[in-house]
Amino acid sequence: KAGVTQTPRYLIKTRGQQVTLSCSPISGHRSVSWYQQTPGQGLQFLFEYFSETQRNKGNFPGRFSGRQFSNSRSEMNVSTLELGDSALYLCASSLVAAGLGEQYFGPGTRLTVT
Amino acid sequence: ELKVEQNPLFLSMQEGKNYTIYCNYSTTSDRLYWYRQDPGKSLESLFVLLSNGAVKQEGRLMASLDTKARLSTLHITAAVHDLSATYFCAVRAQGGSEKLVFGKGMKLTVNP
Repeated sequence: KAGVTQTPRYLIKTRGQQVTLSCSPISGHRSVSWYQQTPGQGLQFLFEYFSETQRNKGNFPGRFSGRQFSNSRSEMNVSTLELGDSALYLCASSLVAAGLGEQYFGPGTRLTVT
Repeated sequence: ELKVEQNPLFLSMQEGKNYTIYCNYSTTSDRLYWYRQDPGKSLESLFVLLSNGAVKQEGRLMASLDTKARLSTLHITAAVHDLSATYFCAVRAQGGSEKLVFGKGMKLTVNP
């Protein structure tokens, strides 16, 4: 069974640009959650999508948005990039809602903003 | 708001030694997860603890949950170098938002 995949794996952008990250969950999983990981703040929850609906949202500015498609694939968008957005972005999928079942994490996308 | 604290945050230990790390959380929860992360890698699920008194073991790691004390422990027995990694606990608040809140992680280095 294929695991969670994320593309791209590495990305370098400049301030003010926007970026879209993609996550393909494990086949059959309906929940996709996104996390930002930085050395200073650790792992912080961004949002969760379940069956194309946003179920939960973390404390991030509106520049961070996401969506989920009917095949459960999810995208995350960050507009007007800031230096502080440099981080490892992880997505995780689960069969049921994220807090109710086991989450399986993808390899992450390393975003560097210069 | 649910807060999750891990301690210690850094641990250097010798191979063959035992040690216990702790995960405290601030509000009632009905499930707790332990994850492992190797440098530059993603998170790997280790344990899911669902009830008070739950104990799970895998190899040299044993996790337990005390929901009354809002505490989980991860006990390392006879550490080996391969256990060097960062260990996270994550908690779901009971009755509230179902999102998971992660601790800051404990970086473990096992020296030969």
